[in-house]
Amino acid sequence: AQSVTQLGSHVSVSEGALVLLRCNYSSSVPPYLFWYVQYPNQGLQLLLKYTSAATLVKGINGFEAEFKKSETSFHLTKPSAHMSDAAEYFCAVSDSGGYNKLIFGAGTRLAVHP
Amino acid sequence: DSGVTQTPKHLITATGQRVTLRCSPRSGDLSVYWYQQSLDQGLQFLIQYYNGEERAKGNILERFSAQQFPDLHSELNLSSLELGDSALYFCASTPSDRDNEQFFGPGTRLTVL
Repeated sequence: AQSVTQLGSHVSVSEGALVLLRCNYSSSVPPYLFWYVQYPNQGLQLLLKYTSAATLVKGINGFEAEFKKSETSFHLTKPSAHMSDAAEYFCAVSDSGGYNKLIFGAGTRLAVHP
Repeated sequence: DSGVTQTPKHLITATGQRVTLRCSPRSGDLSVYWYQQSLDQGLQFLIQYYNGEERAKGNILERFSAQQFPDLHSELNLSSLELGDSALYFCASTPSDRDNEQFFGPGTRLTVL
């Protein structure tokens, strides 16, 4: 079975600092990996996805993630945090059963301080 | 705006009651997924429909059921509600040509008192 582990349920950074949100996955087949963002009282918005093309994936709002098979990781980064980045971030893996349901990590709440 | 709509936005009801949550997928999307987001269980996949047929089932309780209609909208029915069913329920839909990218609706917040 596939699974996702997000290290750190809360991350706090200063405005302008590097953002690093960690995600490790478990999968017996090549995975499809996703990062979603959830702002307060809103639904989930796709930030970026990895689908076995380039290992470095660029997404919206300046975020990017690198797929590292040897480390089974898909960490999310942004060089310079903005106040507007404060939200909850979810890493997800697509199910290997062929039906594409998403298996989510527990989420990381990002706080950005001035 | 993802193009996926869900109604109602909020629902408050009592234990033992039955409710119906509605989802309209993006225009042209054939697949609809339902997810539950709760504080103790996180985000969990419940069920998927594709063009009117059930395609995959996750951690969905027997008290819960869903269907997808010919116009492709979907309904999630929750019955004999318990306090623990209080959660955010999301619907997502998938474009037929990019079936690994799911677009999420704004969710329905269910509160069971």
